[in-house]
Amino acid sequence: EDKVVQSPLSLVVHEGDTVTLNCSYEVTNFRSLLWYKQEKKAPTFLFMLTSSGIEKKSGRLSSILDKKELFSILNITATQTGDSAVYLCATTSGTYKYIFGTGTRLKVLA
Amino acid sequence: NAGVTQTPKFRVLKTGQSMTLLCAQDMNHEYMYWYRQDPGMGLRLIHYSVGEGTTAKGEVPDGYNVSRLKKQNFLLGLESAAPSQTSVYFCASSTDFTGELFFGEGSRLTVL
Repeated sequence: EDKVVQSPLSLVVHEGDTVTLNCSYEVTNFRSLLWYKQEKKAPTFLFMLTSSGIEKKSGRLSSILDKKELFSILNITATQTGDSAVYLCATTSGTYKYIFGTGTRLKVLA
Repeated sequence: NAGVTQTPKFRVLKTGQSMTLLCAQDMNHEYMYWYRQDPGMGLRLIHYSVGEGTTAKGEVPDGYNVSRLKKQNFLLGLESAAPSQTSVYFCASSTDFTGELFFGEGSRLTVL
């Protein structure tokens, strides 16, 4: 059975800190890994990763995938209070399903 | 730019009542999904569809039924609601089954 595990479950940091969120997976016939940010409502898309070692970057956020060790990390530098959210990781495979982890709840204090 | 639209946004039911959640997408996506989200549990897949007229079970399908009679619509039904079905329900769609998943705004359901 496909499985996605995120760590830590929750994290409290101060503005300006750098954080690293982890996502490990066990997926048969892996196709892609996606990161989402969820504040009060629907998840919003951040990144999609399909190839190992190629960093995706958007402003202060970046992510990378390691297909050999079966994990991905999401880095946020110079955190701001607006980064407070739940960050979700999902994988896809040949089964047509998107399987999500339980998420990491990030709180950034001013 | 409607994207994915869910109705209703909020609903309170009594145990044993039935209801249907409607999901509509205007992006011509083949793949549609229903998830439920409970505190500490992430998003769990209820049912999904890979095209008009098709449906399949996800991780937590018991107590729910679905239909995809038209490509743009995916209906989630609760035949006899139970308190354990109190949750936030999200519909999502994608153009293929590996790329970005587009979400609706969610429907909060409370079963008393």
